Amino acid sequence: EIVLTQSPGTLSLSPGERATLSCRASQSVSSSYLAWYQQKPGQAPRLLIYGASSRATGIPDRFSGSGSGTDFTLTISRLEPEDFAVYYCQQYGSSPPATFGGGTKVEIK
Amino acid sequence: QVQLVESGGGVVQPGGSLRLSCAASGFTFSHYGMHWVRQAPGKGLEWVAFIRYDGSNEYYADSVKGRFTISRDNSKNTLYLQMNSLRAEDTAVYYCAKDQMATTTTFFDYWGQGTLVTVSS
Repeated sequence: EIVLTQSPGTLSLSPGERATLSCRASQSVSSSYLAWYQQKPGQAPRLLIYGASSRATGIPDRFSGSGSGTDFTLTISRLEPEDFAVYYCQQYGSSPPATFGGGTKVEIK
Repeated sequence: QVQLVESGGGVVQPGGSLRLSCAASGFTFSHYGMHWVRQAPGKGLEWVAFIRYDGSNEYYADSVKGRFTISRDNSKNTLYLQMNSLRAEDTAVYYCAKDQMATTTTFFDYWGQGTLVTVSS
């Protein structure tokens, strides 16, 4: 089973700053089958990125994904007030079919 | 627009059973694989089960295998999760989620708002 480790656990930043979130896999993720989700309190997760770097429909271009193999990054170029949330990475294409990282909370400094 | 609406959550005693439903609209339900994903209070996301577009195959997390059954009725655009032998550690918000593919697990492009299951005596 591929284990995903997200870091840091919490990121304290101010609006307008750049956020860099890491997701490290215990084994290589095939074909960059990695997705990122945003979750706000009391809400369902929302798909941001799939295939490591493709933005989902309607996602602003301040969100970008990169990486391959075992190291992946979600970057938010300039934090907006609505971006403060928890972010999860997820791998697909292996067994079990889907696993999530533990999450990174982006909080207002 | 795509809508997924879960129902059926509630409080159940350990060892009990519950059936969750997820009503889908805004897309051709019979063309896509569907999932259940859960989130224990204050915790992260855990994938639970997947069913192919036509119901021909199902896959389960080890934590629920043999106790939970995922199914679908394409004539009613509805996904189900039958949960038996419930344990305290099954307490969570259960989300149904749409896959962007029909036969394999990829990522979850749409999610419902979730239904809370509490297993407690």
